[in-house]
Amino acid sequence: AQKITQTQPGMFVQEKEAVTLDCTYDTSDPSYGLFWYKQPSSGEMIFLIYQGSYDQQNATEGRYSLNFQKARKSANLVISASQLGDSAMYFCAMRAVLNTGNQFYFGTGTSLTVIP
Amino acid sequence: NAGVTQTPKFRVLKTGQSMTLLCAQDMNHEYMYWYRQDPGMGLRLIHYSVGEGTTAKGEVPDGYNVSRLKKQNFLLGLESAAPSQTSVYFCASSYDPVISNQPQHFGDGTRLSIL
Repeated sequence: AQKITQTQPGMFVQEKEAVTLDCTYDTSDPSYGLFWYKQPSSGEMIFLIYQGSYDQQNATEGRYSLNFQKARKSANLVISASQLGDSAMYFCAMRAVLNTGNQFYFGTGTSLTVIP
Repeated sequence: NAGVTQTPKFRVLKTGQSMTLLCAQDMNHEYMYWYRQDPGMGLRLIHYSVGEGTTAKGEVPDGYNVSRLKKQNFLLGLESAAPSQTSVYFCASSYDPVISNQPQHFGDGTRLSIL
């Protein structure tokens, strides 16, 4: 079975500091993709970053980077230089092609609060 | 530049009433999905579609039906609403995940309350 686990229900970070949001996954599929989404209080889901299982380098998008450790099945999101606007829920998601019927699986989310 | 549009944005129903949520996308995506989001449970897949005329069950399909008569539209129906279906509903669409690493694109959600 496919599974995404986010063990941090809530996190706090000081403005301008870096923060890591944890995500572990479980799949037997050799080919899969990992995604992070941001959900601000307004409710929309905003795509942040993608990592493919065969990608050799960790993905980066501006202040977001994905710390991909394949052997440990972890895909942690790192936000550098936190800003007040980063306060939101963050969801990790996985798409594993062969065994999931092309579905995406989501974790339960981490609520990030940036403190001024 | 509409993307994924959900209608309505808010709705209050009485137990036993029926309603249909509409999702429309203008990105020519093959795949469409309906999720529900409840506190502490993340997003759970209700039903999805891999193309026009096809539908499949997700993780929590009971009490819901769907139809995809046109590629751009995906309808979610509640035949007899129950308080347990109070939730925020999200529609999403994507290209075929087998051939594309593109993410899902989400609508803004529908907040549904069942009294």
